[in-house]
Amino acid sequence: GQNIDQPTEMTATEGAIVQINCTYQTSGFNGLFWYQQHAGEAPTFLSYNVLDGLEEKGRFSSFLSRSKGYSYLLLKELQMKDSASYLCAVVDSNYQLIWGAGTKLIIKP
Amino acid sequence: DTAVSQTPKYLVTQMGNDKSIKCEQNLGHDTMYWYKQDSKKFLKIMFSYNNKELIINETVPNRFSPKSPDKAHLNLHINSLELGDSAVYFCASSPRLAETYNEQFFGPGTRLTVL
Repeated sequence: GQNIDQPTEMTATEGAIVQINCTYQTSGFNGLFWYQQHAGEAPTFLSYNVLDGLEEKGRFSSFLSRSKGYSYLLLKELQMKDSASYLCAVVDSNYQLIWGAGTKLIIKP
Repeated sequence: DTAVSQTPKYLVTQMGNDKSIKCEQNLGHDTMYWYKQDSKKFLKIMFSYNNKELIINETVPNRFSPKSPDKAHLNLHINSLELGDSAVYFCASSPRLAETYNEQFFGPGTRLTVL
């Protein structure tokens, strides 16, 4: 079966750095997305990786290792507004998006 | 200039009723989706349409019937509502189906509460 694992919840301090991990086992791989979802709102796109390595976009970076079936989202200089759920999603061999259950990130002052 | 819109935003109804949720996208995308997000926040695909044709129909009760009058609209009709149908329903769209980079754009969601 297809499976995506993320921690359920993480807590970090304002101004710090946090890394949210995602491991996947899917039928094929055609890319990995990270989405952010604030409580009561729709998911919004953060990043996309299809090749191994690190993609940096401002305070957010996303890393992919296809051989290990592993990705992480790195958030730097955390702000209170970063409190949200972070969803990892993999594009499988049928180009379907397989979603993880999401990681709820709590930022404390 | 809303990209993906859904109506209504909130829907409260009694068990056994029939209700519809409408979705429209003005992005010119070929593919549209319906997702259900339950209280545990897990996002589950229900249906996917590509150019008005059904592509994905996950294990969803046949009380749920999607309808796509054109590629910019994908509506969801639910018959005989049950308590377990209470959730947030998201509509989404993406440029085309068989693409690796196929970012999905989500509507604001419809919070359905069945009493």
